[in-house]
Parts: sequence; structure tokens; C-alpha cells
Amino acid sequence: QKEVEQDPGPLSVPEGAIVSLNCTYSNSAFQYFMWYRQYSRKGPELLMYTYSSGNKEDGRFTAQVDKSSKYISLFIRDSQPSDSATYLCAMSSDQTGANNLFFGTGTRLTVIP
Amino acid sequence: AAGVIQSPRHLIKEKRETATLKCYPIPRHDTVYWYQQGPGQDPQFLISFYEKMQSDKGSIPDRFSAQQFSDYHSELNMSSLELGDSALYFCASSLEWGDGTGELFFGEGSRLTVL
Repeated sequence: QKEVEQDPGPLSVPEGAIVSLNCTYSNSAFQYFMWYRQYSRKGPELLMYTYSSGNKEDGRFTAQVDKSSKYISLFIRDSQPSDSATYLCAMSSDQTGANNLFFGTGTRLTVIP
Repeated sequence: AAGVIQSPRHLIKEKRETATLKCYPIPRHDTVYWYQQGPGQDPQFLISFYEKMQSDKGSIPDRFSAQQFSDYHSELNMSSLELGDSALYFCASSLEWGDGTGELFFGEGSRLTVL
């Protein structure tokens, strides 16, 4: 079983829709959770960073972590065509980076105007 | 199923030495990415290749160079190593062309320690 599972999609939504992206994981030691956005053939950019369980909101983006279910989500409200990209979840058990960062495989999102 | 293979998994070098990391992408994947993650840092994107041509460049120092070969494997060459180069170097591959989903598959990383 992979450490991190992410639905690969692809996912197509109309402009203005609410998007839900999800990852599950198996390692209960994970405490640091990240979402990255990566445009095709480009490098990733960090969107959200959360520690332990709870919600974090930044503009149109909300990250949720449910450690009891080992499940994290990224919600995008009022989706825009510029949101079309691959979204990667990543997680780690150690903030210092001494342990590996484990990535999901990414979900490709297309927002249709 | 074949995964992304990185070698070596661990490497110890002295300052001012040279190191080469190798990445073998999943067969038929056309895009390779390199990332560097230092202790306590977010992964930093270094460079990417699409069909053996550089497609994007991130925070890669001038002392580093990379290339993708005809068999699609990629090498990251690091010269004049500094203590700050000690990090975990990830490689990832994806299929971007045509009906490729763009899923990223990561190698397990190569840990470089510079003494």
C-alpha cells in the first residue's frame, strides 16, 4: 500500500464550480500536510500548509485535515480557468525534513470557461 | 509496475567535490522534474525536462547542471559542493503529452550529505 493515495482524475469542472481534491494516507505519524499546484511541465508552488488536524483558509482555497480518518482535502471555491493545473498533496512526519516528504500522484484539474 | 528509480540513495561528499545524481523515469514518461529539499525546508523546484529539452528552471544554482539523455534518464551534476547543498533530492516523472494525465510519480530521493 502506498503511503499517500490521491485520486488521479482528471477532473473537469465548469467555471465557478466548487472543487474538492482529496488524499488519503496510511502513516499515522504524518503531521504536516501540504498542497502544491503545478502547471504542466512547470515546477510546483506551495498553496497550503497545515499542521495536524483542522481547517485552514486562504482566499478561495480551504485545506482540511482529518487525522482520525487519515484524510485531507483541498477545496477551491469559485474556480477559475487559471486554476487549471495538477494539484499535489504531500505530507511528512517531521517538520525538519529529516524524513521524506511523501507526495500523492496529483490530480489534474481543468476549469472550463 | 516500474517506478521512478533514483541513484544513489545516499551520498557523502566533501566540500568542493562534485556529485552526480541519476534519475530513471517510468518508461514512456516524457517529463522529468528535479527537486531539492533541505532540512526544515519546503521542496524547491530545480529544473524540468520535457522530451529531453529543458522546460522550466527554478532555483537551481549555477554550480548545478542537469540534462536528459536519449533514453530519458536524467542526471543532476553538482560541482563545488557546499555544506548548504546537503539535502534530499527528489526526481519525479510524468506523461504530459497527448492523453497523459500528468500524474507525478516520485522517486524515493537521493540524500546528499556534504561534510
